Amino acid sequence: SQQGEEDPQALSIQEGENATMNCSYKTSINNLQWYRQNSGRGLVHLILIRSNEREKHSGRLRVTLDTSKKSSSLLITASRAADTASYFCATGEGAQKLVFGQGTRLTINP
Amino acid sequence: DAGVIQSPRHEVTEMGQEVTLRCKPISGHNSLFWYRQTMMRGLELLIYFNNNVPIDDSGMPEDRFSAKMPNASFSTLKIQPSEPRDSAVYFCASSLWGSNEQFFGPGTRLTVL
Repeated sequence: SQQGEEDPQALSIQEGENATMNCSYKTSINNLQWYRQNSGRGLVHLILIRSNEREKHSGRLRVTLDTSKKSSSLLITASRAADTASYFCATGEGAQKLVFGQGTRLTINP
Repeated sequence: DAGVIQSPRHEVTEMGQEVTLRCKPISGHNSLFWYRQTMMRGLELLIYFNNNVPIDDSGMPEDRFSAKMPNASFSTLKIQPSEPRDSAVYFCASSLWGSNEQFFGPGTRLTVL
């Protein structure tokens, strides 16, 4: 069953703009991760935020987590054409199991 | 490291035929996951192993699906008999137990006619 729900389902912006994607989930989690999937490829891990963290940065990525609202956001700053991909949130349940959302399809227009 | 290796990359078969998908995890990883991705249902976890032992197979859709991991460097997902609704991209992923980060293979695109 799907745990995370990404919003929006699709996002199209101009190169250089910032992109924000949101994820909501239903049950308690140990951690929340974001993955990227380029067309026709496997998923690539971007960043992990633990349930006791509120914000995390990695390069142009910024992730926030609000456990009281059961939501997370992924911000990509200064977007590039190469950022065009689908982005998935995944909630960690237990030691290993991840439950993925349906994803946000991001298009960066040159 | 070559990453997670899956074969074949594409498989086209006819309904009723047996299909075997193969996966070689990253050397040293002791957890292995099989996922299925479709437009309608998204990415679904089918089964995962730790130290070659199946831990959770609750996502396996029906008895037609089976998965094995005979050793630390090889796993198979078998569908017998295959049906058109099994058409999807099947991903294998591996990780170190407790690390949470999973490394995905390139996937096998299965088409059942």
